[in-house]
Amino acid sequence: AQTVTQSQPEMSVQEAETVTLSCTYDTSESDYYLFWYKQPPSRQMILVIRQEAYKQQNATENRFSVNFQKAAKSFSLKISDSQLGDAAMYFCAYLRNTGNQFYFGTGTSLTVIP
Amino acid sequence: KAGVTQTPRYLIKTRGQQVTLSCSPISGHRSVSWYQQTPGQGLQFLFEYFSETQRNKGNFPGRFSGRQFSNSRSEMNVSTLELGDSALYLCASSPLAGDTYEQYFGPGTRLTVT
Repeated sequence: AQTVTQSQPEMSVQEAETVTLSCTYDTSESDYYLFWYKQPPSRQMILVIRQEAYKQQNATENRFSVNFQKAAKSFSLKISDSQLGDAAMYFCAYLRNTGNQFYFGTGTSLTVIP
Repeated sequence: KAGVTQTPRYLIKTRGQQVTLSCSPISGHRSVSWYQQTPGQGLQFLFEYFSETQRNKGNFPGRFSGRQFSNSRSEMNVSTLELGDSALYLCASSPLAGDTYEQYFGPGTRLTVT
């Protein structure tokens, strides 16, 4: 079974600074998808960024970018110019190429300090 | 376009009772997945429905069941409630079965079992 590990239960960052959230995963598959989801206190899960495993280029969405290291099975999220609205729980998720279900990490709670 | 809606948002039940939760996907979406979120276990996949058929099921006891209607709305039922069933239940919808792009999450139903 696929497992996703987020080793940082909590992180904090100063407003306008950069922070990196770590995620590693275990799989024997070669084709899959990786996601970062954000869950603010309102509890609505929101997609932050998506990466296809077959693409070597790291995905970027405005201030959010990933460092995808397929051989190391690592998928970290970098948030640049952190804003107060970035404070949330961040979940790393793995999706098989057949879709169907996400495997989530345990989450990293991000605090943004004004 | 309206998002995923879940009703009720909050629910308090007693051990031994049963409960039914409802999820209305985004209009046009035909796949609905359910997840259980607890502080100890994180987010765990319950099941996925597409075109009124259960396509995939997570590792949960038979007390957890679900169904999907012809309009894609889905319900999940938990019978003989246990204290450990207290959790946030999230549903997510996507346009297709096995969609590898994105699942859109609802706000969740907070179930408390006393």
